[in-house]
Amino acid sequence: DAMVIQNPRYQVTQFGKPVTLSCSQTLNHNVMYWYQQKSSQAPKLLFHYYDKDFNNEADTPDNFQSRRPNTSFCFLDIRSPGLGDAAMYLCATSRDRPTSGSPYEQYFGPGTRLTVT
Amino acid sequence: GEDVEQSLFLSVREGDSSVINCTYTDSSSTYLYWYKQEPGAGLQLLTYIFSNMDMKQDQRLTVLLNKKDKHLSLRIADTQTGDSAIYFCAETSYSHAGKSTFGDGTTLTVKP
Repeated sequence: DAMVIQNPRYQVTQFGKPVTLSCSQTLNHNVMYWYQQKSSQAPKLLFHYYDKDFNNEADTPDNFQSRRPNTSFCFLDIRSPGLGDAAMYLCATSRDRPTSGSPYEQYFGPGTRLTVT
Repeated sequence: GEDVEQSLFLSVREGDSSVINCTYTDSSSTYLYWYKQEPGAGLQLLTYIFSNMDMKQDQRLTVLLNKKDKHLSLRIADTQTGDSAIYFCAETSYSHAGKSTFGDGTTLTVKP
């Protein structure tokens, strides 16, 4: 039944050691999103893919990169994690971008909680 | 830029109604959403409203939209302890290529 799957659920990495978080979806949705969420804050969009088209947010640090090798999978790479990157990372999908006819709401995975030591 | 604001905390007694409020700044907002997040979990869509609607009801949930004041509310009737969670308001518009802007969330605590 799981529709948006994130692995691992908990990840511990060392300061400066590259880490990759993964997301997969069984919904066959066109759009995939990565959000960073810190405690008591709104999810902050890092980037999203519309099919293979990558869209980076202007304030996403260069330290964060993403890959989408196929429709089902999307990866978040943090090249040199700092203490400030400790957060919950949420992956979401939507069938398409909202139009006047449909909201095309986002479906979220359970998140990966990243700890940086 | 776009901004979505919510009050941070709400506490109610079981069986009472809860009303969570949200204000937004983007006048081109097309859809407004309410998401629920339980501890350690992702966000779950509860309901949404199109910007040309004033009200939407879905079982215990009632959404009211005042487009003139850019004010959105979520009313939960007969609130249960299982409703304790963080509730996020979000908006999206065509001008943002379908990206959503989220509020900081309202933590709802339901006391027995």
